[in-house]
Amino acid sequence: NAGVTQTPKFRILKIGQSMTLQCTQDMNHNYMYWYRQDPGMGLKLIYYSVGAGITDKGEVPNGYNVSRSTTEDFPLRLELAAPSQTSVYFCASRPGQNQETQYFGPGTRLLVL
Amino acid sequence: GNSVTQMEGPVTLSEEAFLTINCTYTATGYPSLFWYVQYPGEGLQLLLKATKADDKGSNKGFEATYRKETTSFHLEKGSVQVSDSAVYFCALSDLGDMRFGAGTRLTVKP
Repeated sequence: NAGVTQTPKFRILKIGQSMTLQCTQDMNHNYMYWYRQDPGMGLKLIYYSVGAGITDKGEVPNGYNVSRSTTEDFPLRLELAAPSQTSVYFCASRPGQNQETQYFGPGTRLLVL
Repeated sequence: GNSVTQMEGPVTLSEEAFLTINCTYTATGYPSLFWYVQYPGEGLQLLLKATKADDKGSNKGFEATYRKETTSFHLEKGSVQVSDSAVYFCALSDLGDMRFGAGTRLTVKP
């Protein structure tokens, strides 16, 4: 198993550009998450999904969108990039309701200039 | 709401020193508690966990005990190595809602 994979590893965007951060897991996990990690801060939840076709907002959803058309994939979309979205983004997954351990991808570092 | 407070870093120790990183939590329910470790340039990896009061999680020489009476889950290791240099995150999960502390950066010098 590759676990949770994320692409790209690093990206520079100009203000106002858009991009999609990809996340794929091959563990057949139902739950998937997107977090952002800012320097000196813990992880903040952006969006999560409890299964294909079901998504919900987390703590900091503004400026982002997600979709979950398959169990494996959970892309995060930035429509109009802003400097405040400069961060490291982590995707995570967990098997199901009674299994709380989350498994993380390696992260995507995004710089918005 | 639920939250986690971690000892501020950074922490710098010499090899073979004793490590303690403090973590306290606030929760309305009965959360599971976790320590995750993040090595440079990598994602978070589960280090250990405990799911109920008085449980002790352990892995790679690290230990933490779920203390309900003091709402704490302090991370300890008796003898750190250079390879333990990383950022350590305390976290709680209550019905799947996971909250993280701010992280503590540990540097171990030879």
